[in-house]
Amino acid sequence: RKEVEQDPGPFNVPEGATVAFNCTYSNSASQSFFWYRQDCRKEPKLLMSVYSSGNEDGRFTAQLNRASQYISLLIRDSKLSDSATYLCAVNKANTGNQFYFGTGTSLTVIP
Amino acid sequence: EAGVTQFPSHSVIEKGQTVTLRCDPISGHDNLYWYRRVMGKEIKFLLHFVKESKQDESGMPNNRFLAERTGGTYSTLKVQPAELEDSGVYFCASSQSQSYNSPLHFGNGTRLTVT
Repeated sequence: RKEVEQDPGPFNVPEGATVAFNCTYSNSASQSFFWYRQDCRKEPKLLMSVYSSGNEDGRFTAQLNRASQYISLLIRDSKLSDSATYLCAVNKANTGNQFYFGTGTSLTVIP
Repeated sequence: EAGVTQFPSHSVIEKGQTVTLRCDPISGHDNLYWYRRVMGKEIKFLLHFVKESKQDESGMPNNRFLAERTGGTYSTLKVQPAELEDSGVYFCASSQSQSYNSPLHFGNGTRLTVT
């Protein structure tokens, strides 16, 4: 079983729509969680960390559900520039600092 | 502040040849990581340096891969001899601390093609 699983999509949404992605992780010992954004043929860039109580950064909201072992990313008022692949990353404290990544969810925002 | 830089951005080599990838982390970041993404798969951990020491190299595929970080600054990843299955994008990342909640900052990757 993979450490981290994501729906690859693609998600095609109109501008202004709200879209949400989930990411499940298999190991309950996982301690820290992140969302990264990756544009085509570019490096992953940190979008936001995910805190236990949930956190918001502008149009982006991240949440963690430890009981069901998933994290989510909600994007409100989608912009064309939000088109990218969104990767979730999970770190287990007991493996040092080894991050596990999902394969990513592809989002295209349509005019 | 300069980000993580990697060189070369692309490399095409024949099976059996040797390739050396270089990574310069963000200045002051003691933690340096190598990751790899094979087409269609997720980004996977290769190894982690703290300064010049290998903290965790459990993700290295086999002994054809050798990573070094002499002096604790830049790092190199050598593949010798390269095989077809080594093709992929090799990312280097650095982080400020070893804390598990310290995020990774990635370089733009080296796209390696072995023919």
